[in-house]
Amino acid sequence: GENVEQHPSTLSVQEGDSAVIKCTYSDSASNYFPWYKQELGKGPQLIIDIRSNVGEKKDQRIAVTLNKTAKHFSLHITETQPEDSAVYFCAARGNTPLVFGKGTRLSVIA
Amino acid sequence: DSGVTQTPKHLITATGQRVTLRCSPRSGDLSVYWYQQSLDQGLQFLIQYYNGEERAKGNILERFSAQQFPDLHSELNLSSLELGDSALYFCASSVFPPANTGELFFGEGSRLTVL
Repeated sequence: GENVEQHPSTLSVQEGDSAVIKCTYSDSASNYFPWYKQELGKGPQLIIDIRSNVGEKKDQRIAVTLNKTAKHFSLHITETQPEDSAVYFCAARGNTPLVFGKGTRLSVIA
Repeated sequence: DSGVTQTPKHLITATGQRVTLRCSPRSGDLSVYWYQQSLDQGLQFLIQYYNGEERAKGNILERFSAQQFPDLHSELNLSSLELGDSALYFCASSVFPPANTGELFFGEGSRLTVL
């Protein structure tokens, strides 16, 4: 089955700096790669996703890149703000329901 | 508010006991998913139902079972509880059929503590 590895597990950045979270997946049949943000006491919420026919997607300060050949995808957050502090999960889906990485705890220091 | 409702929010019980977690999906969503979140394992997929039928199974223990009822709400039953079952259990729903991609809408979770 699919296996998703996510790095780093924790990340601290100064407000205004960029943050990058990287994930790799194992199943070449996977074709959908979402990113979820989980704030304290809440359930995960989709922030951006990318499909396998697209290499990059951007939504304001958030961007995701996908390299299908290397089986890795990344989340980029620019101009980080304190409200970006949360746990971020990458996920992959092919023929099975979403498989999540173990999460990255992002702390944005004001 | 995702529109997915989970009850109870918190549950404390003893080893060997049985509990039932309940989930009401968003209006119109036919797929319901259960995930277990523990500190060291992240979000682990347990099981998925689509319109009342089991569609996919993940790392769900034999002590655990689930079902989706005609009104589309779902219940996750955990029996013979062990300390290691302490975790946050999430329900999610989606509008798409299982074969398609699409956003999962998560509830706020049920925190189970086994003492």
